[in-house]
Order: sequence, then C-alpha cells, then structure tokens
Amino acid sequence: GAGVSQTPSNKVTEKGKYVELRCDPISGHTALYWYRQSLGQGPEFLIYFQGTGAADDSGLPNDRFFAVRPEGSVSTLKIQRTERGDSAVYLCASSLDTGAVTEAFFGQGTRLTVV
Amino acid sequence: KNQVEQSPQSLIILEGKNCTLQCNYTVSPFSNLRWYKQDTGRGPVSLTIMTFSENTKSNGRYTATLDADTKQSSLHITASQLSDSASYICVVSKMGGSQGNLIFGKGTKLSVKP
Repeated sequence: GAGVSQTPSNKVTEKGKYVELRCDPISGHTALYWYRQSLGQGPEFLIYFQGTGAADDSGLPNDRFFAVRPEGSVSTLKIQRTERGDSAVYLCASSLDTGAVTEAFFGQGTRLTVV
Repeated sequence: KNQVEQSPQSLIILEGKNCTLQCNYTVSPFSNLRWYKQDTGRGPVSLTIMTFSENTKSNGRYTATLDADTKQSSLHITASQLSDSASYICVVSKMGGSQGNLIFGKGTKLSVKP
C-alpha cells in the first residue's frame, strides 16, 4: 500500500482479555516502530524492529506487552490480560532504514479502549 | 532527564494570521529535531527534520528554526489556513540512541478559526 496501515482502527475489549494490533508498514521499509499515545500526550516509544528482530524493546511497559515481526514486514503488537490503563492510541511507524535523519511514516493508529 | 517541552499548550488564531510555536529540549547528546503535524484521529506527519548544523528549514508555509546552543526550536506558520488546525509535535532524537527512541513533546494544539 501507499502508506502505513494499521488494523483495526478501533478496538474495544473487556479488562483481562487478550488483544492483537496489526501494522502493515510501507513496502521495503526495514525499520518498524510501535508507539503508544495517551490523550493529550505525545507518543511514547514501545519497541522497534530492524528486519525481523526487535532492536530495542526498552519501551514495553511490562511483560503483558509483546510484539513480533516474523517475516520482516507485518508486525503484531500483542497485549495480554488487558487493563483499563492500557487504553490509548497505538501508533505504528516505518522507515526505510535506521539512519539518524531518516523520516519515519506513521499509520493512523489503533484506538484501544479497555472497559 | 531527556525532555522536550512545548509551548503554548494550545493556541487559537484567526485564519490568515501568523503564529509561532516553541520547543525547548534537554536531550543530550543531540542528533536531530523534527516537527510533526498530527490531525485529530490521524498519525503524525513529518514537516521538517533538522540536524545540529541547520538553523532554518522551510516547508511551504512552515518554517522551523533551531538554536542548538540554547536548545530551542520554533515552528512559524505563515498565513494560516483552516486546515492548519492540528497538534504540532516537536520530536528530538538523541545521538547514539536507537532510531525508534525519539523523544516526543506533548504537542501544541492549534485551532485556526474563520
């Protein structure tokens, strides 16, 4: 596709449930990033992939959060035993490489609401 | 602590007017600074990226400035349009840090009224 695509655009789940959020990066982009954005805040870094491997997962808040990118393209962010505090917009971005000034392109986000 | 502070938090201006948004940062060592525009319900879109050696960069009606000595940046919007209504986010990258570990400000919410 022309841009970064995230699905679903909205997800409502019950506390304690498991959710998966999907990100389709721009074709050919080797780097992929996940961010979380709470209302009125800037995005906060979660994890970034270079190819298939997680190059930096220091932003994942706890072990309920996990992300994979098995074939170096599509990525899935997985959240176990969801809590109300997990409610936020989850943004995915991709870039051609990891150069310092390489532009990152963002998807429209998945709005997760835990009730 | 590496921080990015933006001001004002929100701003309302009339269509056609100019405005300037401010960004102060304490990120060190500095690599580059970006301004993003985020429309409601959308992901951020890059406006400018500036490295240490760049003082000014323009993108249409948007002009960003950077003073690496004082660790300040500004985004000037000329002849504002209704479509400029959005949040403008200042993002700083730390040298040597992973590309994913960009430090985001909280943004300035700009409303342009007719």
